[in-house]
Parts: sequence; structure tokens; C-alpha cells
Amino acid sequence: DTEVTQTPKHLVMGMTNKKSLKCEQHMGHRAMYWYKQKAKKPPELMFVYSYEKLSINESVPSRFSPECPNSSLLNLHLHALQPEDSALYLCASSQADRKADTQYFGPGTRLTVL
Amino acid sequence: EDQVTQSPEALRLQEGESSSLNCSYTVSGLRGLFWYRQDPGKGPEFLFTLYSAGEEKEKERLKATLTKKESFLHITAPKPEDSATYLCVPQGGKLIFGQGTELSVKP
Repeated sequence: DTEVTQTPKHLVMGMTNKKSLKCEQHMGHRAMYWYKQKAKKPPELMFVYSYEKLSINESVPSRFSPECPNSSLLNLHLHALQPEDSALYLCASSQADRKADTQYFGPGTRLTVL
Repeated sequence: EDQVTQSPEALRLQEGESSSLNCSYTVSGLRGLFWYRQDPGKGPEFLFTLYSAGEEKEKERLKATLTKKESFLHITAPKPEDSATYLCVPQGGKLIFGQGTELSVKP
């Protein structure tokens, strides 16, 4: 099973709202990732958690706040977003080994900020 | 600086018309190269991992090959359901996503 699940599938929020995106995997992977993808563009890395610790933050604005409660779950807390933050948000997971580390992606959450 | 370039940007084929997608890369300390398929509005779907030059992998109508500077994704006798964007992603220190090739297969 190589499934990564994400909820919700779609989210519409105002600029003053607080919402969260959720991601779950049961493959025993120890690395989890958040990506942002705009239309017709490749995914852009936002955050990496390795063994439940934040290892990479690609200079993401503080209105995005990641959280890794345990090795299977990854959250992305959203607050005071801007319309330009509207995008497809992808979660991925991998084994976190030293060879080429295949990432498996979830279906994504389509976020619209009004 | 690590770079990856995919060509063509878009490719239109008739059903059954075989072709190849190209991925040129410059990556220090290549650990591997991934191919993904992505349908509109969905997450990338893993296809292949290639670890070293000369390696080949196949899955149904797709075959991926790797040299020291390029990777090719060969599509044999494509069907309309093969229509998608194909992403080439070499990994050095981190993943480097290509811009993708948007493949359209018409019946």
C-alpha cells in the first residue's frame, strides 16, 4: 500500500480565517513533506519533517505553520492567508533512507483564499 | 547549480503513435532520478526510480532510461488514458522538479 491521504479535498477560506490541512500515511515512512503547486507549475517544497522533527523550512511565511504530531500524521495550520496563497497543497512521504528517497504523494487539497 | 530541463513542453500524439520525452539534467551527486505522472488537479503518481546510468525500467507502455546527462521516457503505442503531465525529478541534495511535459493522446 502506497497511499497518502489528505483532508479536506477542497477548502475555501477568507483572509481572516484559521484552518488546517491534514495528511496521513501508514507506510511506516519517517519523512513527510508539504508542497505548494500552482497551475501549470511543478510542486514547490515548503517543509520537510524527518523523524518527526522539522528539518527543512524553505523560507515559508509564518502564516503557514506545520505540525507533525506523530510519524503518521502531518498538519499544516493556516492563518491570515492571502489570495495568492490559493493553490493545490500536496503532502508526500518517504522512507528517509540515504539512497534516492522515493516520495509518494497524496491527492492534494485545493485551497482557495477569498 | 543543479538544473533539469524537460522537452518538449507539450506533446500531442495520435493513439498508437510511439514517442519519447526527454529530461536533461545537471545535478551534483545524483542519488537517483524519478518519473511521476500527474493528472490535472491531482497529486503526482510515482512511476519509476532510476539509480545509475544504463538502468532501464518498464511499466506497461512506459519505459524509462538513464544516462549520465539525460533520462528518456519512451511511450509505446499510447492510449488516451496516458494523457497527463509527466514530471522528471532528479535528486541530488534535494529533489529538483522539471517543468513537466504535457502529453495529450487523441483517439
